[in-house]
Amino acid sequence: EPEVTQTPSHQVTQMGQEVILRCVPISNHLYFYWYRQILGQKVEFLVSFYNNEISEKSEIFDDQFSVERPDGSNFTLKIRSTKLEDSAMYFCATGRIGSSTDTQYFGPGTRLTVL
Amino acid sequence: GNSVTQMEGPVTLSEEAFLTINCTYTATGYPSLFWYVQYPGEGLQLLLKATKADDKGSNKGFEATYRKETTSFHLEKGSVQVSDSAVYFCALRGGQNFVFGPGTRLSVLP
Repeated sequence: EPEVTQTPSHQVTQMGQEVILRCVPISNHLYFYWYRQILGQKVEFLVSFYNNEISEKSEIFDDQFSVERPDGSNFTLKIRSTKLEDSAMYFCATGRIGSSTDTQYFGPGTRLTVL
Repeated sequence: GNSVTQMEGPVTLSEEAFLTINCTYTATGYPSLFWYVQYPGEGLQLLLKATKADDKGSNKGFEATYRKETTSFHLEKGSVQVSDSAVYFCALRGGQNFVFGPGTRLSVLP
């Protein structure tokens, strides 16, 4: 069964450094999402992406964050200058269509630790 | 805005006990409702979903019925197993993105 993959599984970085989290979507999916889960807290929506554009973003997704699909396969989340409070589990999700009935398939997550 | 409330737990049960995890939602329009499960050290896996009122989602012995009149989507299982120990997230989708509840940690003891 096809699945969403994410790399790395764990990233440790110093405060102020840039990080790039990578996701490989399921091949025929067109809609891409990033969520984060701070330890022990709920999963929060960050951004949705379709047709090489951001279609929706939350208040969390400020100017420090960016997303792109650099090569038509990977979907990346970049944090320009990490802060301690960016430490969280980051989940990529993909969907075949963007309707409210469509299931989003989640990757295993990248644990980001900012020191 | 849309929101999801669920019992936060932790919930501790003995094997073969009956499970209910309550979930209620607030939403405009007609959202789809989902239960996701997160096993220790893993990502989110879809457990079941329902896309319209009175639909029942079911999978692996778990069930949930979309109740529009009570804005609820309670998760039930008749006989839990140790392997069901995980965190369960209720979620709704009214537009493109999901809104998740806080998660309920379930521990099943042998």
